Amino acid sequence: QKEVEQNSGPLSVPEGAIASLNCTYSDRGSQSFFWYRQYSGKSPELIMFIYSNGDKEDGRFTAQLNKASQYVSLLIRDSQPSDSATYLCAANAGGTSYGKLTFGQGTILTVHP
Amino acid sequence: EAQVTQNPRYLITVTGKKLTVTCSQNMNHEYMSWYRQDPGLGLRQIYYSMNVEVTDKGDVPEGYKVSRKEKRNFPLILESPSPNQTSLYFCASSLGGTSTDTQYFGPGTRLTVL
Repeated sequence: QKEVEQNSGPLSVPEGAIASLNCTYSDRGSQSFFWYRQYSGKSPELIMFIYSNGDKEDGRFTAQLNKASQYVSLLIRDSQPSDSATYLCAANAGGTSYGKLTFGQGTILTVHP
Repeated sequence: EAQVTQNPRYLITVTGKKLTVTCSQNMNHEYMSWYRQDPGLGLRQIYYSMNVEVTDKGDVPEGYKVSRKEKRNFPLILESPSPNQTSLYFCASSLGGTSTDTQYFGPGTRLTVL
């Protein structure tokens, strides 16, 4: 069973701090990784994706990928109360399984004023 | 506006009564997928389709059927719903289903089977 694991949290950080969300995956063939944000009762919305080792930055968000360690993370700088949501990590296996996303259980983030 | 739509958004039904949840996208996407989301289990793929008339099972296909007769539509059919199919369902689509294509999600359908 190919798995994506996340700490379910909740992770609580003060406003203005850096929130660090982590994800590990079991399938070494996974090619790309997606971070989605999901507000309660709403659909997941894409924050960013990464497929190369290293860091990828987009505004306040930085995704980090380490394929050797099978580890993906998302850093949120200057966290705001509006960032409070569940963050979903997903892996795409690529190849003949292209398009298939395997999701982690999600990490609940709470940013308190 | 580019979007994925689902209907109905909320549905309460009884065991054994056939139902269909519709999904439609207006982005000319080839790849479409159905997920269910349950507390503690995350999003799990039910079925997916790589193009018209091409569908395949995801991780939890038991008790569900799908069809893809047109590119824009991908209905989810529960022929004999049971209470363990009570869940939040999401339809998603992406351009071509490659490993870096972004999947866009519909608003969700909350299904309760009594």
